[in-house]
Amino acid sequence: DIQMTQFPSTLSASVGDRVTISCRASQSISNWLAWYQQKPGKAPKLLIYRASSLEGGVPSRFSGSGSGTEFTLIITGLQPDDFGIYYCQQYGRFPRFGGGTNVEIK
Amino acid sequence: QVQLQESGPGLVKPSETLSLTCAVSGDSISSDYFWGWVRQPPGKGLQWIGNIYHTGSAYYSPSLKSRVIISLDTSKNQFSLKFISVTAADTAVYYCARSRPYYDLNDLRGGPFDYWGQGILVTVSS
Repeated sequence: DIQMTQFPSTLSASVGDRVTISCRASQSISNWLAWYQQKPGKAPKLLIYRASSLEGGVPSRFSGSGSGTEFTLIITGLQPDDFGIYYCQQYGRFPRFGGGTNVEIK
Repeated sequence: QVQLQESGPGLVKPSETLSLTCAVSGDSISSDYFWGWVRQPPGKGLQWIGNIYHTGSAYYSPSLKSRVIISLDTSKNQFSLKFISVTAADTAVYYCARSRPYYDLNDLRGGPFDYWGQGILVTVSS
């Protein structure tokens, strides 16, 4: 069973900042990784799939990178609407989500 | 536009069976996708429950496999979740979602969840 670890668990940043969220898999998952944004009371929204492919309609300030066990989500130029909890997800044989990173706007 | 909508009881008694349905519009559950369930206990993270392929092949989380059944109803364009012998630990928001298939070498798997229902809160309590 592949475990996913995200860090930090919480971060606070200002509008315009570059924000980096990390995700580590307990074993290699190639690039079978997705990132989601979830706002309070709402379903998660797919942002990135296959580690670095931007989902249609998602702003280009979101980007993903990594392969194997280390992955990163970057928000370049944080916007007020970007608050929420971000989850990574490996979608191998038994999908699993990371614990989440709560992004707060200063 | 693909839309998913969960329905079912909001309150289930301990030891009973939780039954939820996900109605799909804007797509056919017979199309080449997986259809899955994800849950989120209050204030906690996301947990994958299982997926079912349009052929009817189902895949479950190992930790939940003994208590879960996911099935398709093509006549109603919906799929369902049955969760037996529930406890308070099964209290959560339950989401249904569509998953894009992909091949990892020769293994067909469910990929990222691209469309989600709004979620339904199910409380297990007497």
